[in-house]
Amino acid sequence: AQSVTQLDSQVPVFEEAPVELRCNYSSSVSVYLFWYVQYPNQGLQLLLKYLSGSTLVKGINGFEAEFNKSQTSFHLRKPSVHISDTAEYFCAVSKGGYQKVTFGTGTKLQVIP
Amino acid sequence: DVKVTQSSRYLVKRTGEKVFLECVQDMDHENMFWYRQDPGLGLRLIYFSYDVKMKEKGDIPEGYSVSREKKERFSLILESASTNQTSMYLCASSFRTGGAPGGVPDTQYFGPGTRLTVL
Repeated sequence: AQSVTQLDSQVPVFEEAPVELRCNYSSSVSVYLFWYVQYPNQGLQLLLKYLSGSTLVKGINGFEAEFNKSQTSFHLRKPSVHISDTAEYFCAVSKGGYQKVTFGTGTKLQVIP
Repeated sequence: DVKVTQSSRYLVKRTGEKVFLECVQDMDHENMFWYRQDPGLGLRLIYFSYDVKMKEKGDIPEGYSVSREKKERFSLILESASTNQTSMYLCASSFRTGGAPGGVPDTQYFGPGTRLTVL
């Protein structure tokens, strides 16, 4: 079964600084990868997804992620964060041919003014 | 816009009670999901339905059951609530691509969640 590891439970970063949220997965088959964001007191919403094609994926709100098959990673990046990016971010993976996804434990991004 | 609604934002029940959590989506999605979210554990899948009257166990189905009599509605049932079921419950829906339960997973749309407290 596939699994997802988000090593950082919390990431504090100053406003306008760059940020990288790390995600590693384990699967021996082709995978589909997602990043979701949960703002305080809200449900999750999709930031971006990798299904196939270019390994660099651009999402909403200036976020992007790169699929690295050799390192089994799908790290999320933003060059300059804003206060409004304060939220919890979840990486998720699904193995090919299956519609269920497995979520990571989440990373709380705290943007400091 | 896709809308996924859940019957309650907050719910307080007593140990041993039967609890129903309702989820409704308005986008004609085939797939519907129930997750529970706990601090430090992320989201864990309880049950998944890829069509009316079809269901599949997720990672933590023990103590739960589900019902999907209509395409737009997916209910989670706690037959006899226990304190260790105190949690945030999230419902989601998505289009089904390909033959169920296989195919390429599509974007999941989430409801706002129900925070359930079992005393």
